[in-house]
Amino acid sequence: GAVVSQHPSRVICKSGTSVKIECRSLDFQATTMFWYRQFPKQSLMLMATSNEGSKATYEQGVEKDKFLINHASLTLSTLTVTSAHPEDSSFYICSARDPRASTEAFFGQGTRLTVV
Amino acid sequence: GDSVTQMEGPVTLSEEAFLTINCTYTATGYPSLFWYVQYPGEGLQLLLKATKADDKGSNKGFEATYRKETTSFHLEKGSVQVSDSAVYFCALSHNNNDMRFGAGTRLTVKP
Repeated sequence: GAVVSQHPSRVICKSGTSVKIECRSLDFQATTMFWYRQFPKQSLMLMATSNEGSKATYEQGVEKDKFLINHASLTLSTLTVTSAHPEDSSFYICSARDPRASTEAFFGQGTRLTVV
Repeated sequence: GDSVTQMEGPVTLSEEAFLTINCTYTATGYPSLFWYVQYPGEGLQLLLKATKADDKGSNKGFEATYRKETTSFHLEKGSVQVSDSAVYFCALSHNNNDMRFGAGTRLTVKP
């Protein structure tokens, strides 16, 4: 099946710094990617929909200036957590749809962000 | 809007016990339904899916049937193993849209 690769898998950063998370579709072109956030022992909450070549669509309550999304190519979307604070610590997961299998989304391995 | 309601956990079973995790949904139209599994520290892996009413998805001994009349997609396995311990998410999606997830059910299987 299609593979989505997310990097890094774990990152620890200091409060006030920015962190970039990459999401790559390895064997297909993804015009749309999705970014989710998962709090401990909770479900995944959609943060934003990333569209190649255009602005991301953010869910209500998600700060677009804090969570910058760039989808510059058909195989790469990035999420940058700007001026990170401890409350941003979470598990972030991206997903992408393979146009050849439109009913299924493929997920990255996730990124555990810890802000200290 | 679309939503998924999933049986709350945690669920603890002995090895070889029968597993059922209930999932019901609310949606317009005819979404596709999924079960994903998440092992500790990892992302989500697709376990099985069904794209239309009365379809049965199956994989690794797990099964779920798309029941439109009861808007349900319950996950079942006849004999669980310790290696099945994980968090299970029910989800729905319309083509080319994002997925909506249930809250997740943590399963622990004891030897």
